[in-house]
Amino acid sequence: NAGVTQTPKFQVLKTGQSMTLQCAQDMNHNSMYWYRQDPGMGLRLIYYSASEGTTDKGEVPNGYNVSRLNKREFSLRLESAAPSQTSVYFCASSDSGRNNYGYTFGSGTRLTVV
Amino acid sequence: TQLLEQSPQFLSIQEGENLTVYCNSSSVFSSLQWYRQEPGEGPVLLVTVVTGGEVKKLKRLTFQFGDARKDSSLHITAAQPGDTGLYLCAGASGGSYIPTFGRGTSLIVHP
Repeated sequence: NAGVTQTPKFQVLKTGQSMTLQCAQDMNHNSMYWYRQDPGMGLRLIYYSASEGTTDKGEVPNGYNVSRLNKREFSLRLESAAPSQTSVYFCASSDSGRNNYGYTFGSGTRLTVV
Repeated sequence: TQLLEQSPQFLSIQEGENLTVYCNSSSVFSSLQWYRQEPGEGPVLLVTVVTGGEVKKLKRLTFQFGDARKDSSLHITAAQPGDTGLYLCAGASGGSYIPTFGRGTSLIVHP
């Protein structure tokens, strides 16, 4: 099925542990994004990649790193997880940055840091 | 960072009623999108509007972009339980193509 695939769907981490969230899209989109969604805060941009080989910080990048592995894949890494990073994480992709007519989102990763 | 205000924050109605939700900002948008998000899923794009005054229809949903491209509305006619979800607007402005998301309107339609 065409779309954005995120793994894992659920994860529980202990404070200080590290993990990588995986995202892959098969729509040949140039741009990919990582968001977090918290109650009452809406969707906030963590990092984005306008095209293969480039990454930029979004609104809330602290505590995260990203890698645009190729055109299809964009991963998000938490080096030392903190309880404040408990959230639902969404990956998204879009066709072209300059003419952004909307995103395709994955189904999310629910992360709990204890 | 531009601020998008969505109203109302919560809406609980009976099947068959009509409703309108709003998305407002002080910024001029180059484009604006509406999404619906169901529990446990990611947002799904409903529509993109780009021209001031533009009206788009998607079955029972009518989307309008303000003439000045600073606001938008979503009207649902004869709401059904399947319309239940979180409705998000997202707009890009100020030369950035990265949209900012509003906090959403949570809609519950009771049978």
